[in-house]
Amino acid sequence: GGIITQTPKFLIGQEGQKLTLKCQQNFNHDTMYWYRQDSGKGLRLIYYSITENDLQKGDLSEGYDASREKKSSFSLTVTSAQKNEMAVFLCASSHRGREQYFGPGTRLTVL
Amino acid sequence: QQKVQQSPESLTVSEGAMASLNCTFSDGTSDNFRWYRQHSGKGLEVLVSIFSDGEKEEGRFTAHLNRASLHVSLHIREPQPSDSAVYLCAMSKFVGDNSKLIWGLGTSLVVNP
Repeated sequence: GGIITQTPKFLIGQEGQKLTLKCQQNFNHDTMYWYRQDSGKGLRLIYYSITENDLQKGDLSEGYDASREKKSSFSLTVTSAQKNEMAVFLCASSHRGREQYFGPGTRLTVL
Repeated sequence: QQKVQQSPESLTVSEGAMASLNCTFSDGTSDNFRWYRQHSGKGLEVLVSIFSDGEKEEGRFTAHLNRASLHVSLHIREPQPSDSAVYLCAMSKFVGDNSKLIWGLGTSLVVNP
């Protein structure tokens, strides 16, 4: 088995701040994903990456940057945090199109 | 636009009584359908993945797929209080070598002792 680790678990930021979230997986999966989960809106795909140094936009990429530094890690940057924003950011990985395995999430609050 | 609708929004059952959750989707050509569970404050845990019409069982969790009626359900046998969580349905379509998931909004299940 493997595990997906997300850091930090909780992130509190200020309006306009640039914030970075990190994700590590030891499944040796090729593909990694970043989702945003908002109450009442389900999961929305922000970015995904099919291999090291690859980056593909999802449905919600505006306002975010991402970086796949190596096969095991995928980071997400909120380029300018929005006031009163609250959401959970979930990282996932999969072997190509197979089941996606999820990390525990990073909970973002912007003051 | 592809959509996934889940019902009911919330469900309360007693321990040991069967729990049934439903998902309807707009595109019958999707590759497969997945049920995930999310305990409060936790990530998502995959329960069952099904691509053929009929039934697939994983322990106490059974998914039923009927592509013609655009419907997939999840039945939880002998639910326990620890099964209290949000259950999410997702349909998957292959895009190249990878898959794109379209998600429902979830059913919140409470299992009372």
